[in-house]
Amino acid sequence: ETGVTQSPTHLIKTRGQQVTLRCSSQSGHNTVSWYQQALGQGPQFIFQYYREEENGRGNFPPRFSGLQFPNYSSELNVNALELDDSALYLCASSSSGRVTGELFFGEGSRLTVL
Amino acid sequence: GENVEQHPSTLSVQEGDSAVIKCTYSDSASNYFPWYKQELGKRPQLIIDIRSNVGEKKDQRIAVTLNKTAKHFSLHITETQPEDSAVYFCAASEGNAGGGADGLTFGKGTHLIIQP
Repeated sequence: ETGVTQSPTHLIKTRGQQVTLRCSSQSGHNTVSWYQQALGQGPQFIFQYYREEENGRGNFPPRFSGLQFPNYSSELNVNALELDDSALYLCASSSSGRVTGELFFGEGSRLTVL
Repeated sequence: GENVEQHPSTLSVQEGDSAVIKCTYSDSASNYFPWYKQELGKRPQLIIDIRSNVGEKKDQRIAVTLNKTAKHFSLHITETQPEDSAVYFCAASEGNAGGGADGLTFGKGTHLIIQP
């Protein structure tokens, strides 16, 4: 069983730039969600994708956007980067058929905005 | 929206002793309460979860209790070991994985330190 993989693992951007983060979901999972984890904080829900459509969103502005592809992999795009966007971005996959709703997280992409 | 408060932020216990971490939530519609363990530089991993139709769940040295009336739930770790040292996060949601979801709302975490 292949776990959740994310790329890149680390990246540095400057204010105003745009970034794309990528995630491959765990084998057999059709739902992907993204979380932002600031240093010393719990993860915060950004949005969730199911059947290639966004079906849930947290309190994040529209400059945070995403995609899900037919193979269930996903991208997170952030435009007009701000210093406060510096964080660990976690992708999590799950299966809509599972009752438990367990999320399987990737190792994350650490974004630094200068 | 949901708000989850977690206490304490840091907990230091002697190896072999028990550790208890407590969380409260605000949304009475929440019905799924997982606990995640995150070691330094690693991904969060589910260690135990509970649904609102159950008051207590146990898995070896780990147990979770839920009081829906008071809107609080707790993690209990007995016979703590050095490998239990990590940050623990509680979370709450309506548990609709893939079927339209508000996602998990996490607490701010508890840094558990096991003293040898």
